[in-house]
Amino acid sequence: KQEVTQIPAALSVPEGENLVLNCSFTDSAIYNLQWFRQDPGKGLTSLLLIQSSQREQTSGRLNASLDKSSGRSTLYIAASQPGDSATYLCAVYVYQFYFGTGTSLTVIP
Amino acid sequence: EADIYQTPRYLVIGTGKKITLECSQTMGHDKMYWYQQDPGMELHLIHYSYGVNSTEKGDLSSESTVSRIRTEHFPLTLESARPSHTSQYLCASSENIGGQGLSDTQYFGPGTRLTVL
Repeated sequence: KQEVTQIPAALSVPEGENLVLNCSFTDSAIYNLQWFRQDPGKGLTSLLLIQSSQREQTSGRLNASLDKSSGRSTLYIAASQPGDSATYLCAVYVYQFYFGTGTSLTVIP
Repeated sequence: EADIYQTPRYLVIGTGKKITLECSQTMGHDKMYWYQQDPGMELHLIHYSYGVNSTEKGDLSSESTVSRIRTEHFPLTLESARPSHTSQYLCASSENIGGQGLSDTQYFGPGTRLTVL
């Protein structure tokens, strides 16, 4: 069974800092990997999706990378803002999505 | 902007009641999912569907049942709610790429927070 781990579980940074969130998975035979953000009491919002043939995807201040052979993905957030405060989840797809427990990010003004 | 809706958003009921959580999407997606999420824990897949008249159980065992009579609608039913069913239930949908079981971006509804007393 696929297991997805996210480190760190929580992160607090001052506004303006660049930061990296990590995601690792045990089975490299994935079809794609997706990063989400979840705000308290709400559903998930898709941020980036990386297909298995891709190595990275970018959207605005976000950049996600994928290294299937090592079972790792990173989400890079540039110039963090207080509005980035949320829980960030990664999920890998192998006929169904497997989610990590997330990294809770707090950006301090 | 994804168009996937869940009702009710919050539900507090007594033990033994039958409940149905509604989920609908207007994107014409074939694949739909139900996840259960406890506070601080990862999402666990409890049901999914590849299309009309298709329903499958996910990795997490659940006493709930689902139906898929229409593409846009994927309701979840608990025949007799218990306190152990207290959780957040999230519905999602995605396109089915190439008909090979692959999947594109998942879109999530806002969730239903269920409390069973």
